Amino acid sequence: DAGVTQSPTHLIKTRGQHVTLRCSPISGHKSVSWYQQVLGQGPQFIFQYYEKEERGRGNFPDRFSARQFPNYSSELNVNALLLGDSALYLCASSLAPDRNTEAFFGQGTRLTVV
Amino acid sequence: LAKTTQPISMDSYEGQEVNITCSHNNIATNDYITWYQQFPSQGPRFIIQGYKTKVTNEVASLFIPADRKSSTLSLPRVSLSDTAVYYCLVGDLNDYKLSFGAGTTVTVRA
Repeated sequence: DAGVTQSPTHLIKTRGQHVTLRCSPISGHKSVSWYQQVLGQGPQFIFQYYEKEERGRGNFPDRFSARQFPNYSSELNVNALLLGDSALYLCASSLAPDRNTEAFFGQGTRLTVV
Repeated sequence: LAKTTQPISMDSYEGQEVNITCSHNNIATNDYITWYQQFPSQGPRFIIQGYKTKVTNEVASLFIPADRKSSTLSLPRVSLSDTAVYYCLVGDLNDYKLSFGAGTTVTVRA
């Protein structure tokens, strides 16, 4: 079975641009979460979606948005990119909200903003 | 959410047992303790989870004392490939987010 897949794996953008990151969860998983990991730190929670509804949002500005599609895949959008948005963006899937602590993470998308 | 404290780094040698202790003094009744492993440029990987006493799987053991204010992840007979960052997380199974701290960087040397 395929694990959590994220695309693209690497991305370079210029300040002020917009970016869309994509995630496909493990088959059968209905919950998808997004995390940002800056170099040297642990992942920080951005969003969680379950059954296409936003279930939680972390302490990130409104420039960050996400959505989940009927097939449970998800997109993370970031507008007006800043240099500080450079990070590894991780997607995690889990079977259901009460199984969030046993999440499966993708390899991440490395975003560099120049 | 219960705050966790764990060592910043630990060094070990191949074949040794590595024990990482995590403190979580204000753990709540409904909280579980979960450990993740992360290799460079990869997403974290679930290792083990427990509520009390001892849990063991094919990768590690988790020891939780009766007061649950701390826990110890035990990695038996480590190899070079166990070099990674290990995160201790504490939270309710229904929490919608995982709260990662800085983790413990374990370096295994030959």
